Amino acid sequence: GQSLEQPSEVTAVEGAIVQINCTYQTSGFYGLSWYQQHDGGAPTFLSYNGLDGLEETGRFSSFLSRSDSYGYLLLQELQMKDSASYFCATYNQAGTALIFGKGTTLSVSS
Amino acid sequence: DVKVTQSSRYLVKRTGEKVFLECVQDMDHENMFWYRQDPGLGLRLIYFSYDVKMKEKGDIPEGYSVSREKKERFSLILESASTNQTSMYLCASSLTSGGAGDTQYFGPGTRLTVL
Repeated sequence: GQSLEQPSEVTAVEGAIVQINCTYQTSGFYGLSWYQQHDGGAPTFLSYNGLDGLEETGRFSSFLSRSDSYGYLLLQELQMKDSASYFCATYNQAGTALIFGKGTTLSVSS
Repeated sequence: DVKVTQSSRYLVKRTGEKVFLECVQDMDHENMFWYRQDPGLGLRLIYFSYDVKMKEKGDIPEGYSVSREKKERFSLILESASTNQTSMYLCASSLTSGGAGDTQYFGPGTRLTVL
């Protein structure tokens, strides 16, 4: 089956850089996705890595190493509004539905 | 913009009641999904559907069933609600079937309380 491990909580201050790690075990692999969820809101897509390397989207970057079964989400120039839960996700064995990690709660303080 | 709507934001039901949670998407997406979200457990997949009248079990299908009679609508059914089904239920949709990297769009969620 598929499983993903990520830290439960991370804290940081405004302006800092934070990295949220995700390790996975999968029977098949279709890439790693990241979703953001603000308290009381719906999860929203942030990024996807299908191949090894870094994907950059503004202040957010995501990295994947398939040989290490590892990825991370990098958030730069942190802002208070980045306080949220972040989920890594990968597809099930058939490649038809996303399976999510338990989520990392990021708290950004001033 | 893709819009996924769920019939209720908050729902309170009694143990043993039959409960219907409705989800509608407006972007002609093939795939639709039901997850439940509980503190410390993340999002867990209950059921999904890749076509009308088709369904697949997710990781925690016990106690649930689903119905997809029309492409835009996916219903989650609790045949006999129990207190351990108190949770936040999230519906999602994505464009294609089996599309790796395909974005899932989520609805706002239904917080169900079973008393």
